[in-house]
Amino acid sequence: AQTVTQSQPEMSVQEAETVTLSCTYDTSESDYYLFWYKQPPSRQMILVIRQEAYKQQNATENRFSVNFQKAAKSFSLKISDSQLGDAAMYFCAYRRRGNEKLTFGTGTRLTIIP
Amino acid sequence: DTEVTQTPKHLVMGMTNKKSLKCEQHMGHRAMYWYKQKAKKPPELMFVYSYEKLSINESVPSRFSPECPNSSLLNLHLHALQPEDSALYLCASSTRGTSTDTQYFGPGTRLTVL
Repeated sequence: AQTVTQSQPEMSVQEAETVTLSCTYDTSESDYYLFWYKQPPSRQMILVIRQEAYKQQNATENRFSVNFQKAAKSFSLKISDSQLGDAAMYFCAYRRRGNEKLTFGTGTRLTIIP
Repeated sequence: DTEVTQTPKHLVMGMTNKKSLKCEQHMGHRAMYWYKQKAKKPPELMFVYSYEKLSINESVPSRFSPECPNSSLLNLHLHALQPEDSALYLCASSTRGTSTDTQYFGPGTRLTVL
C-alpha cells in the first residue's frame, strides 16, 4: 500500500522569507502523480501544485515550486517570499495513474510570522 | 473555472434526524467524491462516483447514503448519525480518462451531530 509521510507537523517562517515543507512517499509504482494541497482556516482544500512522476522537470507555480526526487521518493514544497495568506495546513498527496484514490499525508501546519 | 459548491455550509442535526448534503460542479467532470475530515487530520475517502456509478465505497456505514442524480450533482443522505460522525464533509470532482485527473475540492459542510 502506498503511504505518504510529512515529518514536520508544524513549521513557521518570517514573512517574505522562504520555507520548505518535506514529503516522502512509498510506492512500487512508476507512473503516478503527486500533489500539494493547502487548507486555510476557511477549510477549502486548494490545489497548490502537481507533479507527474514521468516528468523530470520540477513543477513551479509562481512562488511555489517543488523538488521532486523520484529515486529518493521525496517531494518537497518550497514557498518563496512567504505571505500572510500562505498560512494554512499543507497536505502532500499521491495518486497512482488510473486509480481514483488520493493518499494524503498527515499535514504540516504553516504559520507566517509578520 | 474550478469551482465545486457545497450546501449547506453548516448543519446541526440530532441522531434521529434525516438530512442531506449537496455538492455541485459545472466543470464537466465525470468523477465525484465524498470525504470526511476530522479536526487536524487529512481527509478520508468515503465514496467515489465515476460516470454516475458508484465505483468506490470505503466500507462506510449505511447511515451514510450517497446519490449521484446526474453528472453535475452529488448528494450524501444522512440518517441516524452518531456524535462521532461530526466532522467536515468535503466533496471533490475530477475529470476522468485524462492523464492528470486532478481532484478539485468544495468548501465543505461542517456537520455537528447532537
